[in-house]
Amino acid sequence: DAGVTQSPTHLIKTRGQQVTLRCSPKSGHDTVSWYQQALGQGPQFIFQYYEEEERQRGNFPDRFSGHQFPNYSSELNVNALLLGDSALYLCASSSPGTSGKREQFFGPGTRLTVL
Amino acid sequence: AQKVTQAQTEISVVEKEDVTLDCVYETRDTTYYLFWYKQPPSGELVFLIRRNSFDEQNEISGRYSWNFQKSTSSFNFTITASQVVDSAVYFCALQTGTASKLTFGTGTRLQVTL
Repeated sequence: DAGVTQSPTHLIKTRGQQVTLRCSPKSGHDTVSWYQQALGQGPQFIFQYYEEEERQRGNFPDRFSGHQFPNYSSELNVNALLLGDSALYLCASSSPGTSGKREQFFGPGTRLTVL
Repeated sequence: AQKVTQAQTEISVVEKEDVTLDCVYETRDTTYYLFWYKQPPSGELVFLIRRNSFDEQNEISGRYSWNFQKSTSSFNFTITASQVVDSAVYFCALQTGTASKLTFGTGTRLQVTL
């Protein structure tokens, strides 16, 4: 059973560019969350997608946007990249449940470097 | 607002020593969940345990044990007889209300040496 997969593994961009990161959830999972982890910090919640809609959003600017596809995979888009966007971007998926309190299983992350 | 504090930035122990990682949380919700994740150098967060706010029973899984105390808002993690493979960054996280987002602490880096 494949776990959460993310692509690409590493990415180098320059300031002002745009980037798209991709995530495939664990089989059977319908909810995808994205987190940003700066060096030496804990992951920070960006947003969560369920049924192809953004269900919840953290304190991130509109430059960060996302999408969820009918097969539950998801994309994270960041426009007008800033040096401060350099981080490990983690995708997490969770399984269907009744209360929404579910373990989130994380992918290996995409390390984005902005020069 | 929710907050998780991991006051220990880095801990170094010699193999076979016991080590406890501290976690203190803040929330006004009466229903919440607490998690521990391990992040090895590869970067992937590995789920270790989830506890809900109504279950204060301590849990043991092999060399790992967790002590949940609502009275002190703490959810501490103990590794018994540590091994080099335990070297990683460990994160405590909180999930509250109807949201399923996780609020993480800043992590504790554990270094186990021979």
